[in-house]
Amino acid sequence: AQSVTQLGSHVSVSEGALVLLRCNYSSSVPPYLFWYVQYPNQGLQLLLKYTSAATLVKGINGFEAEFKKSETSFHLTKPSAHMSDAAEYFCAVSGASGNTGKLIFGQGTTLQVKP
Amino acid sequence: KAGVTQTPRYLIKTRGQQVTLSCSPISGHRSVSWYQQTPGQGLQFLFEYFSETQRNKGNFPGRFSGRQFSNSRSEMNVSTLELGDSALYLCASSLAGRGSEAFFGQGTRLTVV
Repeated sequence: AQSVTQLGSHVSVSEGALVLLRCNYSSSVPPYLFWYVQYPNQGLQLLLKYTSAATLVKGINGFEAEFKKSETSFHLTKPSAHMSDAAEYFCAVSGASGNTGKLIFGQGTTLQVKP
Repeated sequence: KAGVTQTPRYLIKTRGQQVTLSCSPISGHRSVSWYQQTPGQGLQFLFEYFSETQRNKGNFPGRFSGRQFSNSRSEMNVSTLELGDSALYLCASSLAGRGSEAFFGQGTRLTVV
C-alpha cells in the first residue's frame, strides 16, 4: 500500500537559512512523488515532481528534492528561505492501482520563516 | 488557459441537509479527483472520475457521491450532512493517468452547523 510520512508538522527557519522538509514514502510499485504548497485559503500548487527521470528534481521558486530509493525518501530543500515561503507543504505519492490520478498525501508541514 | 474552477467558494449548511459542489477542470483534462481536507485528518482522497466513469473511490460513506459530465465537469454531493463533514473540499484535474500533474482548484469551504 502507498503511504507518505512527513517528519515534523512544524518547521521554523530564519530568513536566508536552509529549508529542509522531510518526506518518506512507502510504495508497492515504482513511485511517482510530488511536493505541493498551500497558502492560506488556497488550493494546492505543484512545486515539483519525481517521475523516475532524474533523482534530483528542480522545481519552482528555488526548491528542489532528491529521490533516494535506498532511504525511501524525497526531502524538499531550498538553500535560502524567503518570507514568502511561509506556507504548508505536502508530499504526495501516486496511487498504485492501475492508471489512476489518485494521490496519497502526507500530513503536511507548516513552514514558518522568521525575519 | 483557465485553471480549475470550484463553485461555490464558501457554503454554510445545516445538519441533515444535502449539498452539491461543482468543479470545472482545465480544458482537455479528463481526470477529476476530489479530496477532503480537515485539520485532524489532513487531505483524504474521495473519488476520481475519468471519462464520466468513477475510476477510484476512497474510504468514505455512501453519503458522498459524485459524477462527471461529458464535458468533464464534475459534481460531488453529500447527503444527510453531519457536523464532521465541515471541511475544505478540493477538486483536482489532470490529463490522465498515474504520474500526471494534478492541478487544484481553490476549494469549497463547507461549514455544517
